[in-house]
Amino acid sequence: GEDVEQSLFLSVREGDSSVINCTYTDSSSTYLYWYKQEPGAGLQLLTYIFSNMDMKQDQRLTVLLNKKDKHLSLRIADTQTGDSAIYFCAETKHGGATNKLIFGTGTLLAVQP
Amino acid sequence: DVKVTQSSRYLVKRTGEKVFLECVQDMDHENMFWYRQDPGLGLRLIYFSYDVKMKEKGDIPEGYSVSREKKERFSLILESASTNQTSMYLCASSLLGVGYEQYFGPGTRLTVT
Repeated sequence: GEDVEQSLFLSVREGDSSVINCTYTDSSSTYLYWYKQEPGAGLQLLTYIFSNMDMKQDQRLTVLLNKKDKHLSLRIADTQTGDSAIYFCAETKHGGATNKLIFGTGTLLAVQP
Repeated sequence: DVKVTQSSRYLVKRTGEKVFLECVQDMDHENMFWYRQDPGLGLRLIYFSYDVKMKEKGDIPEGYSVSREKKERFSLILESASTNQTSMYLCASSLLGVGYEQYFGPGTRLTVT
């Protein structure tokens, strides 16, 4: 299908790890992204992974990429209340005059104190 | 820092009105994008532009048009607003090429009554 899929909601306790999952569609996507949207704000790039990598770690964030299954995940270690936000994965869609991003439905992460 | 600004944070319009949403970026980016964000649907691309006076349809262009007369400004036009266009509208910009981050504005929440 054409949709990039994510679960809509995840609730965790402060200090626990959060894992947000994403299934994308285009096996030729060169970059895959995670964006974060805090309440009342636009999206900000959180991290990205190049398609020839399996894993990328950046401080509390770990991105895992399974190209065979077209599955992307974002793990947040030691989740804090400030991590409460909507998280979007996005894949690159090639072709035409420029490259576009196809965004997932977004996962609302709620961190309970 | 890249800055993407949108002309209004909140807008209320009546059915049938012509609506202009303005977006300005200050980093000389070639690409500019308009998305709408709806709960459970994520971000959907309406139109994008890779150069002045150039535009391409995204996934949901019906009922919308765009204008890019200057590189830094990209306008979204609703020719005759309808209630199903009530949504959050997000503008973004990026450099031309693969893998460049899209920078987002804070969004305009449009309500059509």
